[in-house]
Amino acid sequence: GAVVSQHPSWVICKSGTSVKIECRSLDFQATTMFWYRQFPKQSLMLMATSNEGSKATYEQGVEKDKFLINHASLTLSTLTVTSAHPEDSSFYICSVNRDRLTDTQYFGPGTRLTVL
Amino acid sequence: AQKVTQAQTEISVVEKEDVTLDCVYETRDTTYYLFWYKQPPSGELVFLIRRNSFDEQNEISGRYSWNFQKSTSSFNFTITASQVVDSAVYFCALSDLANKLVFGAGTILRVKS
Repeated sequence: GAVVSQHPSWVICKSGTSVKIECRSLDFQATTMFWYRQFPKQSLMLMATSNEGSKATYEQGVEKDKFLINHASLTLSTLTVTSAHPEDSSFYICSVNRDRLTDTQYFGPGTRLTVL
Repeated sequence: AQKVTQAQTEISVVEKEDVTLDCVYETRDTTYYLFWYKQPPSGELVFLIRRNSFDEQNEISGRYSWNFQKSTSSFNFTITASQVVDSAVYFCALSDLANKLVFGAGTILRVKS
């Protein structure tokens, strides 16, 4: 069964609004979660590493003030896209490194964001 | 810097044909991990296989097999007797010791009946 869930699965919002996406680890306490973005017909790009109880680590070129990440518990990380614009429209996917011995990441089902 | 190249953008085959998806990687690390993920139209990535850099044994799992060759920095994926349900985007990925995944561009596989 699924080990990672995301909510919502899709969202449409107006330009300028903020959108929160939740990522939950269903059967594992994850101190680390990852957030990726995938534009249509493109590959996945790592945006940031979410660390429980501390600040997220952002990849080069990702605006930390625009993409707010909160990892308040061992099973929940949230990504908030602030003041969203049409260019933020994308597929956002989170993952959990469920098996540290093998570094295998398991992915959530993704959230499709459309900004009008 | 780490890099994964999947040169095949799209492959179309007829059901029951065998198909090989190529993956070439670049890394300066001596310890690393290679992965293959499947992304069906629903969008959710499905983990297929993981290989560490010290294990060059090829692996077979049902109709799937993987060929890892460090000498050519390749980690190719073969589907034997393809089926329509195999149609998806397949990603090869490389992770470093910080567990960060670098994905290839993906290969779209279309299996026609």
